[in-house]
Amino acid sequence: DTEVTQTPKHLVMGMTNKKSLKCEQHMGHRAMYWYKQKAKKPPELMFVYSYEKLSINESVPSRFSPECPNSSLLNLHLHALQPEDSALYLCASSQDGGGDTEAFFGQGTRLTVV
Amino acid sequence: EDQVTQSPEALRLQEGESSSLNCSYTVSGLRGLFWYRQDPGKGPEFLFTLYSAGEEKEKERLKATLTKKESFLHITAPKPEDSATYLCAVRYGGSQGNLIFGKGTKLSVKP
Repeated sequence: DTEVTQTPKHLVMGMTNKKSLKCEQHMGHRAMYWYKQKAKKPPELMFVYSYEKLSINESVPSRFSPECPNSSLLNLHLHALQPEDSALYLCASSQDGGGDTEAFFGQGTRLTVV
Repeated sequence: EDQVTQSPEALRLQEGESSSLNCSYTVSGLRGLFWYRQDPGKGPEFLFTLYSAGEEKEKERLKATLTKKESFLHITAPKPEDSATYLCAVRYGGSQGNLIFGKGTKLSVKP
């Protein structure tokens, strides 16, 4: 099983709302990632958690707040977003963050900020 | 300068017309090259991992190869269901485990 599950699939939120994106994997992977993808562009890394600790933060604005409650779960808390934050948000996991193995992606959450 | 460059940006094929997609990279200390397929509005689907020059992997109509500077994704006798964007990504010594993606090749296969 190489499944990464993301919820919700679609989310529409106002600029004053607070919402959370959720990601789950049961492959025993110890690295989990958040990527942001705009239309017709490749995924861009936002955060990496390795062994449940934040190891990479790619200078992401503080209105995005990641959380890794345990080795299987990854959340992305959203607050006071801007319309330009509308994008496909992808979660991925791999065996370990510093290693050489492939990452498996979820189906993404399509976020629209109004 | 882009570290990973894919060409062509878009490719239109007739069903059954074989072709190749290119991914060239300029990073040093390559730790892995990865091919993904992405359908519109979906997450990337993992296809292949290549680690060293000369390595080849195959899956159905797809075959991936790797040299010291580039990788090719060969598509033999493609079908309309192979239409998608194909993404190449690398991990290298300085990427801290991050996947560095190319911009992708959008493949359209017409019946």
